[in-house]
Amino acid sequence: EDQVTQSPEALRLQEGESSSLNCSYTVSGLRGLFWYRQDPGKGPEFLFTLYSAGEEKEKERLKATLTKKESFLHITAPKPEDSATYLCAAHNFNKFYFGSGTKLNVKP
Amino acid sequence: KAGVTQTPRYLIKTRGQQVTLSCSPISGHRSVSWYQQTPGQGLQFLFEYFSETQRNKGNFPGRFSGRQFSNSRSEMNVSTLELGDSALYLCASSFTLRDTQYFGPGTRLTVL
Repeated sequence: EDQVTQSPEALRLQEGESSSLNCSYTVSGLRGLFWYRQDPGKGPEFLFTLYSAGEEKEKERLKATLTKKESFLHITAPKPEDSATYLCAAHNFNKFYFGSGTKLNVKP
Repeated sequence: KAGVTQTPRYLIKTRGQQVTLSCSPISGHRSVSWYQQTPGQGLQFLFEYFSETQRNKGNFPGRFSGRQFSNSRSEMNVSTLELGDSALYLCASSFTLRDTQYFGPGTRLTVL
């Protein structure tokens, strides 16, 4: 069954404490893996698209990586403003599959 | 470049009523998808349109319908509203069917 699973569901970090969020996928014919950030009550904001295993993309304190089975969103020295829910999605020729998200809380 | 816009942003309805939500995609984008987001279920795919044709549909009852116009703007309609329809309804647009989707701010629907 095509699906995307994110872990952990929730993550609490101290400011400056680096960590990684995981996105495992079992989507046949993967065409792209996407990461979004969503603040409460708002629409998801696009962060990255990864297309092939080994690919990496960076933006400020965030780095996304992709393997053949999973993707990681690494957060280096997070700040309180990085607190949000991070969603990943995989798509093939048929549709997009969204994970349930990781809710990140960064304490000052 | 203007982003995806959704109207209205907030809506309060009572059970049994119907509602129409509107989405204007990013200029040049021809694909529009709709999602329902609730705290318990996460993002649930409703349907997807490209060039005025529904290309894909999620597992929702027939009370949920949509359409896309020639200018790529899209509307979704929910008839005979139920309490469980209370959710954030998100619209996403992309250049073509499988490109990066960019989301609008959502319409918060509350059914009383």
